[in-house]
Amino acid sequence: EAGVAQSPRYKIIEKRQSVAFWCNPISGHATLYWYQQILGQGPKLLIQFQNNGVVDDSQLPKDRFSAERLKGVDSTLKIQPAKLEDSAVYLCASSPRGSPAGVTGELFFGEGSRLTVL
Amino acid sequence: QKEVEQNSGPLSVPEGAIASLNCTYSDRGSQSFFWYRQYSGKSPELIMSIYSNGDKEDGRFTAQLNKASQYVSLLIRDSQPSDSATYLCAVHSDYKLSFGAGTTVTVRA
Repeated sequence: EAGVAQSPRYKIIEKRQSVAFWCNPISGHATLYWYQQILGQGPKLLIQFQNNGVVDDSQLPKDRFSAERLKGVDSTLKIQPAKLEDSAVYLCASSPRGSPAGVTGELFFGEGSRLTVL
Repeated sequence: QKEVEQNSGPLSVPEGAIASLNCTYSDRGSQSFFWYRQYSGKSPELIMSIYSNGDKEDGRFTAQLNKASQYVSLLIRDSQPSDSATYLCAVHSDYKLSFGAGTTVTVRA
């Protein structure tokens, strides 16, 4: 079974530029998550989708971050304009269950996209 | 107050010893608790889940939960160098899985 795919793996941009990350979850997984992990910290949930609807985006900085899940499958996370503090690894994860995902707590993570903002 | 707090590391233990990791959480209504392992430069992977008070054992790992004290712990027995990683405590509440900052464990050969 193919895992969660993310791209690009690495991205370096200058502040105020824009960047987009792509995620393809495990086939059939209803719930998709984007987490931000800053070096030395635990993952912080940015947005959670169930199918193509948003379950939680309370910690997404909506003035600069946006995310969508196309047809309930792939997802894109965009940052525009980027700030220095956005330097982090952006982790996409999926789970087979619908909300509440915590019933199993088993999130399958992709390899992550490492963003460096200069 | 952070939702999930873990004891500060790093934690260094000799090979064969027990590593003890602690986690507290703020939402008394939390229902499900998990431990993830994250190797350096890699993504987190689930190693333990616990839902009711008491102990749960899986191989060399034992998770302990005390809901009254809002406390979760992970014991790693007979620690091996391959256990060297960051261990993340995760708590489910309000349809959201929240992670602690992690405790980095180094097992000395």
